[in-house]
Amino acid sequence: DQQVKQNSPSLSVQEGRISILNCDYTNSMFDYFLWYKKYPAEGPTFLISISSIKDKNEDGRFTVFLNKSAKHLSLHIVPSQPGDSAVYFCAASDIGSSNTGKLIFGQGTTLQVKP
Amino acid sequence: DAGITQSPRHKVTETGTPVTLRCHQTENHRYMYWYRQDPGHGLRLIHYSYGVKDTDKGEVSDGYSVSRSKTEDFLLTLESATSSQTSVYFCAISERGNTIYFGEGSWLTVV
Repeated sequence: DQQVKQNSPSLSVQEGRISILNCDYTNSMFDYFLWYKKYPAEGPTFLISISSIKDKNEDGRFTVFLNKSAKHLSLHIVPSQPGDSAVYFCAASDIGSSNTGKLIFGQGTTLQVKP
Repeated sequence: DAGITQSPRHKVTETGTPVTLRCHQTENHRYMYWYRQDPGHGLRLIHYSYGVKDTDKGEVSDGYSVSRSKTEDFLLTLESATSSQTSVYFCAISERGNTIYFGEGSWLTVV
């Protein structure tokens, strides 16, 4: 039972254009969502997060949108740069209802930004 | 960088042998996690800890056990390693159970 799903295994965009990565979740108790970026042979690094009380959070070139009714979140990268080429994971947690700090990840989307 | 050290970083072991991976943190964070990363599966939670001696199972806990006798150390043990446990293992920590920070990974090959 995959509670967090990233249905696109890969995405290729041109440098300077927008990259949109998508994530769906099934558990309505999830109230905190995060995106991580991972380069080969390194640990994932935290990018941006959003609480369920918001529908948008922005940090520089990265914006996360949350649609609670659709149980969907997306990460927008504008403009995309070749250094953004990596695997992106979305993750979700139910902080409000539990104190366990359990974070569930999606399968990841490999982003390639072409120069 | 979060103060997380995983050891060993690389290990090759034989089927049926026990293996222990160690995660050490210098941040005094309450929460610690073990994940494995496999192609097509992303990051899957094995076990996690929400305090000293407080641990719980994750999504893929069969064949694994953990121990946390002090705040800074979280051990993952493969009781009898199998080829399906060949993977990259990541330790992670969190202060409040929201944003987590990962270590650099431990590459385990079971032959």
